[in-house]
Amino acid sequence: AQKITQTQPGMFVQEKEAVTLDCTYDTSDPSYGLFWYKQPSSGEMIFLIYQGSYDQQNATEGRYSLNFQKARKSANLVISASQLGDSAMYFCAMRDTGGFKTIFGAGTRLFVKA
Amino acid sequence: DTAVSQTPKYLVTQMGNDKSIKCEQNLGHDTMYWYKQDSKKFLKIMFSYNNKELIINETVPNRFSPKSPDKAHLNLHINSLELGDSAVYFCASSQDGWSETIKNIQYFGAGTRLSVL
Repeated sequence: AQKITQTQPGMFVQEKEAVTLDCTYDTSDPSYGLFWYKQPSSGEMIFLIYQGSYDQQNATEGRYSLNFQKARKSANLVISASQLGDSAMYFCAMRDTGGFKTIFGAGTRLFVKA
Repeated sequence: DTAVSQTPKYLVTQMGNDKSIKCEQNLGHDTMYWYKQDSKKFLKIMFSYNNKELIINETVPNRFSPKSPDKAHLNLHINSLELGDSAVYFCASSQDGWSETIKNIQYFGAGTRLSVL
């Protein structure tokens, strides 16, 4: 069965520093997609970055990068040069090719300190 | 223009009432979803429609009934509201659910905060 685990309920980071948010997953499907979403206090869900299971390179989008380690089944989000506006909940999610279902992790709340 | 729009943003109602939440996407996507986010921020899928056809129907009370009049709209009707239905409900859409490509990205509406008193 699919599973997404985010073990860090809360994280603190100093402004301008980098931070890594952990995500591990479990699926028996060799083909799947991994996603990260940001949910600021205003409540909307914002797509950040995507990684396909067959992608050879780690995905990057501006200050966001995904540290994809397939053998370890981990898909950690790295935010470089943290900004105060990065304070939010971050969700890791996965979809396999078995259907339309995407499952989400429990989320990590990130606090960026000035 | 908002890509996925939900109305209303806030909904406060009494137990036992019936209410609807509307969702529209202007992205030309094939698949639409309803999610429920509880007070602990856990996000769980409820329903999904692909080209107006129901493809995911999770273990949700049958008081919840989705309706997709066309590919761009997915509404959620809730009968006999209960206290436990209080949550934030998100609508989302994606271009093509069957591919492993970037098309699987789901774009979310702003959410509807439902409070049942």
